[in-house]
Amino acid sequence: DAGVTQSPTHLIKTRGQQVTLRCSPKSGHDTVSWYQQALGQGPQFIFQYYEEEERQRGNFPDRFSGHQFPNYSSELNVNALLLGDSALYLCASSSGQVLGTQYFGPGTRLLVL
Amino acid sequence: GESVGLHLPTLSVQEGDNSIINCAYSNSASDYFIWYKQESGKGPQFIIDIRSNMDKRQGQRVTVLLNKTVKHLSLQIAATQPGDSAVYFCAENHAGGTSYGKLTFGQGTILTVHP
Repeated sequence: DAGVTQSPTHLIKTRGQQVTLRCSPKSGHDTVSWYQQALGQGPQFIFQYYEEEERQRGNFPDRFSGHQFPNYSSELNVNALLLGDSALYLCASSSGQVLGTQYFGPGTRLLVL
Repeated sequence: GESVGLHLPTLSVQEGDNSIINCAYSNSASDYFIWYKQESGKGPQFIIDIRSNMDKRQGQRVTVLLNKTVKHLSLQIAATQPGDSAVYFCAENHAGGTSYGKLTFGQGTILTVHP
């Protein structure tokens, strides 16, 4: 049984570019959450998708957007990249219940130059 | 605003000792608490969770204690092993209001286990 998978593992972009990160949830899970983790910090909640809609959003600008597909996989898009967007981007999956345990993927390391 | 914080940023122990990692939270409406372990270059790994209607929960070598009176959470690791060396995060969630589904993490505690 595969856990949460993310792609790519690493990515280098330049300021102003756009990036798309991908996540496949753990088998049996239908909810995907995205987090940003800066070096030396705890993960910060970006948003959560359930039934192909954004259910909850953290304090991130509109440059951060997402999508969930019918197979529950998800994408995170970031437009107009800034140097400060450099971080580890984590995807977590859970079941639809509100307090379901979230299981994390290995993350995508994004470096913006 | 909501916050979950840790008292100690680092903890060093000898192999075989018991470890205690502490966490304070500020949102009294929190319903659910989780401890995660994160090794270098990896995503957070679920260790144990506890709901607000409990004050103690035990797993394999780990115990989580919840004191809602003082809004304090702790993770106890018995017979700590070198493989336990990692960053440990507590996270908080609650079902009410507009924050359901969102985990709020603390800064993390670095646990180093010396052989």
